[in-house]
Amino acid sequence: AQKVTQAQTEISVVEKEDVTLDCVYETRDTTYYLFWYKQPPSGELVFLIRRNSFDEQNEISGRYSWNFQKSTSSFNFTITASQVVDSAVYFCALSEDRGGSNYKLTFGKGTLLTVNP
Amino acid sequence: DGGITQSPKYLFRKEGQNVTLSCEQNLNHDAMYWYRQDPGQGLRLIYYSQIVNDFQKGDIAEGYSVSREKNESFPLTVTSAQKNPTAFYLCASSRHDRGYEKLFFGSGTQLSVL
Repeated sequence: AQKVTQAQTEISVVEKEDVTLDCVYETRDTTYYLFWYKQPPSGELVFLIRRNSFDEQNEISGRYSWNFQKSTSSFNFTITASQVVDSAVYFCALSEDRGGSNYKLTFGKGTLLTVNP
Repeated sequence: DGGITQSPKYLFRKEGQNVTLSCEQNLNHDAMYWYRQDPGQGLRLIYYSQIVNDFQKGDIAEGYSVSREKNESFPLTVTSAQKNPTAFYLCASSRHDRGYEKLFFGSGTQLSVL
C-alpha cells in the first residue's frame, strides 16, 4: 500500500531563516508522481510542483527548492529566506500510475509552517 | 478568470438533515473530486467523477452522495447517515483523470453540526 509521511506536524521559524519540510513515501510501483501543495489560511490548496519517478533532478524555483532522492524515498522541500507569506500548511502527495485512470492519490497529513516576523 | 467556486463557505447542519455543498468549475476540466479534511489530517477522497453522468466512490463515501449532470458542476450531499460530518470539504478538478495531473482546488466549505 502506498503511504506518505510528513513527520513534522508543525514548524515555526523566524523570517529569513531557511526551512526544510520533509516528505517520505512508500510505494511498490516503479512509475509514480510526487506533488507538493500549499494551503494558505484562505483554505484552497495550490499546486507547487510535480515530479515523476524517473526524474531525480533537483529543482529550484525562486526561493523554493525540492530534493528528490529515490534511494531514501524522500521528496523534501526547502524554502530559503522564509517570509511571513510562506505561512501555510504544506502537503506532500503521491500518485501511483497504473495506466489510464486507475491510480490512487495519497496525501500526507501536512506540515503547518509558521513564519514569524 | 477560470477557477473553482465552492459555496457556501460556512454551513451548519441540524441533526437528521441533509445538506448540499456546491462546486462549480469553469476550467473545462473532465475530472472532479470531493475531499474531506479533518484537523491535523491529510485529505481523504469522498467521491470522484471522470465524466458527466458518471462517478465513483472514494475511500470514505458512506453517508455522502453526488451527482454530475453537467460538466461544470459536481454537488456533494451530506446525508443524515453521515454521523460525523463536521469537517472542511474541498472540491477539486483536473484536466483528465490521470495520475500525473495536478489538481485545482476550490476554497472549501466548513461544515458544522448544530
